[in-house]
Amino acid sequence: ETGVTQSPTHLIKTRGQQVTLRCSSQSGHNTVSWYQQALGQGPQFIFQYYREEENGRGNFPPRFSGLQFPNYSSELNVNALELDDSALYLCASSSGGGGAYNEQFFGPGTRLTVL
Amino acid sequence: DQQVKQNSPSLSVQEGRISILNCDYTNSMFDYFLWYKKYPAEGPTFLISISSIKDKNEDGRFTVFLNKSAKHLSLHIVPSQPGDSAVYFCAARTHNDMRFGAGTRLTVKP
Repeated sequence: ETGVTQSPTHLIKTRGQQVTLRCSSQSGHNTVSWYQQALGQGPQFIFQYYREEENGRGNFPPRFSGLQFPNYSSELNVNALELDDSALYLCASSSGGGGAYNEQFFGPGTRLTVL
Repeated sequence: DQQVKQNSPSLSVQEGRISILNCDYTNSMFDYFLWYKKYPAEGPTFLISISSIKDKNEDGRFTVFLNKSAKHLSLHIVPSQPGDSAVYFCAARTHNDMRFGAGTRLTVKP
């Protein structure tokens, strides 16, 4: 059974650029959630995708967008990057959808630095 | 808007003793509470959870207590082991949202 994988592991961008982060969910999972973890903080919920549809969203602006593909892998896109977007971005997969957050399995994260 | 708070950034205990990690929340709509453990360079891993209709859930050395009237939950680890040293996050969910605390770094000394 393959766990949750994320790519890339590290990324450096400049202000105003756009970035795409990728996540492969664990085998058998149909739900993917994305989180932003700033230094010294807990993860903050960005949004969740269930069967290719957005299924819940936290307090993040529209320049944070996502996709889920038929194989349940997912992308997080951030436009017009700001310095405060520098953080660890975590992806978590689970099964059940419909707001299911039980037993999420997290990937190792992508460290994004915005200069 | 910190709806989930872990007021102790760090905790140090001796091996074999009890570790108690605390968490407070403000949103009465939360219906499920979870604890995650995180090692450096890894994503958080699920540890234990509790539904809002219960006041205690136990799994081996780990027990979570929920006091709804006080909007407080705690994680007890007995006995603590050096391998338990990690950052522990408390989390709470509604049907379409999930909130995490800032974490407590637990150090278990041999």
